[in-house]
Amino acid sequence: SYELTQPPSVSVSPGQTARITCSADALPKQFAYWYQQKPGQAPVQVIYKDTERPSGIPERFSGSSSGTTVTLTISGVQAEDEADYYCQSADISGAHRVFGGGTKLTVL
Amino acid sequence: QVTLRESGPALVKPTQTLTLTCTFSGFSLSTLGMCVSWIRQPPGKALEWLALIDWDDVKYYSPSLKTRLSISKDTSKNQVVLTMTNMDPVDTATYYCTRSPLPGGFDFWGQGTLVTVSS
Repeated sequence: SYELTQPPSVSVSPGQTARITCSADALPKQFAYWYQQKPGQAPVQVIYKDTERPSGIPERFSGSSSGTTVTLTISGVQAEDEADYYCQSADISGAHRVFGGGTKLTVL
Repeated sequence: QVTLRESGPALVKPTQTLTLTCTFSGFSLSTLGMCVSWIRQPPGKALEWLALIDWDDVKYYSPSLKTRLSISKDTSKNQVVLTMTNMDPVDTATYYCTRSPLPGGFDFWGQGTLVTVSS
C-alpha cells in the first residue's frame, strides 16, 4: 500500500525554525497537505496544495516541495505550535487519499 | 459558515455493522468538485482515510478496508452516511467527517465521534 513517511518527532526551542519532512514516490505528481492536531481536538489544515496557507493560519507556517519530499516549515516557533503534524496526499491514481504517520513537534 | 457533525452509536459489539451519519451545512455536495470524506483515528495513533464520495456520486474507498465500507449521500438532506461491517475492537477510533474539495485536501472537519467496539 502507498505510504507517506514522516519523522516521528521533532524538537525545537522557542523562536527557532522547525522543519518536518514527508516523503513518498508520488509526491511529484500529487499535491501535499499539512494538518496540525492538538490533544483532544480535530485536525486543522495549515498548508494546502504544497505551499498555500489557508486564511487564518499564521505566516510562520509555510510549505515547500522538492522531488519526492515535501516540507512543513514553522519559523519562529511558539509554545502554542506544540502539536502533532500530519502530511496527506493521494496515491498515483489520485483516487485514494493517504496520511503520513504523524510527527510530534515538541517546543523545548 | 461550513460545519460538519458526525452522529452514530458510541458503542458497538464485535461483528456488528456501524452506521455513521455526517450532517453538514455551508456548502452543497452537488457543486462541481465537492466531496465529503470519512477519516478515523484510533486512540493515540495516526489518522487513516476511509472513504470519499464526490458531487457526481463517485465513491472511493481505502484499499485495505474497501470490502467492509459503504458510503452514500442524500444531497437534499445534506447528509453523508458511512457503514462499516464486521466491526472489531481494532476499529475503536474517533471517526471524522470532512469536507474534501478537489484536488484533494480536507479543509473542514467535524468534531469527531468516538466509537468503541466491545462486547
